[in-house]
Amino acid sequence: KNEVEQSPQNLTAQEGEFITINCSYSVGISALHWLQQHPGGGIVSLFMLSSGKKKHGRLIATINIQEKHSSLHITASHPRDSAVYICAGWGYTDKLIFGTGTRLQVFP
Amino acid sequence: NAGVTQTPKFQVLKTGQSMTLQCAQDMNHEYMSWYRQDPGMGLRLIHYSVGAGITDQGEVPNGYNVSRSTTEDFPLRLLSAAPSQTSVYFCASSYTVRGEAFFGQGTRLTVV
Repeated sequence: KNEVEQSPQNLTAQEGEFITINCSYSVGISALHWLQQHPGGGIVSLFMLSSGKKKHGRLIATINIQEKHSSLHITASHPRDSAVYICAGWGYTDKLIFGTGTRLQVFP
Repeated sequence: NAGVTQTPKFQVLKTGQSMTLQCAQDMNHEYMSWYRQDPGMGLRLIHYSVGAGITDQGEVPNGYNVSRSTTEDFPLRLLSAAPSQTSVYFCASSYTVRGEAFFGQGTRLTVV
């Protein structure tokens, strides 16, 4: 069992829909990244958070450290949001622990 | 700032050949790391460094060497390439351990 689990693995949506991607972890972490990877592309950090909520444009990330759970929300989704979204937590062994990613496709 | 720069972007090697994947950052980051990304497995840590002169092994270090002689550079060496090393490699850096990570654009390596 992975230490960081994401759900769903695959997600399709119509343009304009509200999207939620979930990340649960079984180990202690001090902070968590949400990363975005477009097909064939590099990896970009969207957020790093250790508590509460962060918002950037149409993207919102929340985390509950005690419940070991984080969510990434996309409001008013757009085809350009189509990408793989990866959560990664900083463990107390000084290493990032990655989920296997959620593949999102948004259709016009 | 250029951020994290990886070279080359693509490489094809023959089994047994050696090569070095370059990674450089211009943000004065102490922590640097190398990952490989394989389908269905997520990113796995190969080696990491918490500062110049200090390196340590990650989850999948076999077949790879690293050194960190300067803060800016963290090259990854494949001494004798094997088909199992076909993968996409990412370098990342952060100002400190557990800081916000910045990733390079990746190197797609094929070993035939």
